[in-house]
Order: sequence, then C-alpha cells, then structure tokens
Amino acid sequence: LAKTTQPISMDSYEGQEVNITCSHNNIATNDYITWYQQFPSQGPRFIIQGYKTKVTNEVASLFIPADRKSSTLSLPRVSLSDTAVYYCLVGDLLYNQGGKLIFGQGTELSVKP
Amino acid sequence: DSGVTQTPKHLITATGQRVTLRCSPRSGDLSVYWYQQSLDQGLQFLIQYYNGEERAKGNILERFSAQQFPDLHSELNLSSLELGDSALYFCASSVGPSRTGAPEQYFGPGTRLTVT
Repeated sequence: LAKTTQPISMDSYEGQEVNITCSHNNIATNDYITWYQQFPSQGPRFIIQGYKTKVTNEVASLFIPADRKSSTLSLPRVSLSDTAVYYCLVGDLLYNQGGKLIFGQGTELSVKP
Repeated sequence: DSGVTQTPKHLITATGQRVTLRCSPRSGDLSVYWYQQSLDQGLQFLIQYYNGEERAKGNILERFSAQQFPDLHSELNLSSLELGDSALYFCASSVGPSRTGAPEQYFGPGTRLTVT
C-alpha cells in the first residue's frame, strides 16, 4: 500500500519558486501521482498529474525520478493567492484496482508579501 | 467551478439518523468517486462507481452505501450516524479509463455533515 508523506507546512515569499515533495516508497507499477490544491471550505482542485519523468502545464511542473518513490510539485513565482493546502494523491487512477487511492496529509503553504 | 455539484451544502443531524448526500458529475463523466475529509483522518477514498456499476471500495464503513443512477448522478447513504462521522464529504468525477492515460478527477464543493 503506497503510504504518502509530505511536509506539514512550508513558508515562502511572493515571486519565489516553491517545491513540495511527496514520498511514496511503496508506489505500485500502475499508480499515478496527482497533486491537488485546496482552499478552506472548498473541494480539492486538480493541479497536475504524472506517471514518470517530468510533466509541465501552465501552472506547475511535476518531477518524478526514475524509481518513482517520490515526486516534487514545483510552483514557479508564487503569489499570495497560492496560499493553500497542497495534497499528493497516489493510486491506480486508470482502473483503481483494489480501491487504493491514497492522499498525503497535505502541505500547508503560506506565501508572504 | 469544477462542474461537479453536490447537495446539500450543509447537513446537521443527530446520532442514529440516516442521511443521503447527492452528487451530479460533470457532463460526460462516467466515473464518480466519494471521499471523506476529517481533521484526524485527512482525505480518505470511500468508493467509486463507473457507469452505474461499483468499481472499487476504499475505507467505506458498512453503515455507508452508495449507488450511481442511470443518469449518472450518485448518492451516498450514511446510516446509524455517529459523532465521528462528522466530516466533509466530497464527490469527484472523471471521464473514466482511456488509452491516453489516467483521467483527471474533478471535485465538487462538498457537503459538510455535522452529527450532534
């Protein structure tokens, strides 16, 4: 079972790049890695998803090393509005065999002016 | 706005009661997932339906059940409620498996359940 571990909190300043790492030592072959952003009293919002190597979209990059035992979400030039909780989700999102979709405990990112 | 709707937004009920939470997925999405979020347990996967059929079970209690109807909306039924069931319940939807890879899940705004 892929247990995921993230830092509980991180602080940053506006304009800086922020990297949040999620450890998932027992990741299975069919597991994907997804990152979500959540604001208070709202549902998680999809940021980025990957299986291996590097994925980039208009808001973030996701780095996954060859052994896939960790992943790093990179947010370029954060702003105050990026203050939120960030979750990684590891699991077989294609077929969900066994129903093992595991969320990390979340990283509370605080961006200061 | 993710396109996923959930009702009601808030629900307050007493221990021992039964409630039903409703979810309408995004247009075109065939998969519906239910999650529970509480302070002590975090976000936990409960159950998934795909095109009306149960696809996978996670940490769902026997007191809880769900179904997905022909119009693809889904309901989560919680019975014999206990204080510890107080939590945010989220529904998410996705298109389902495809050859291009794992589908993205889009979450609804959630239902906040308070059991007194």
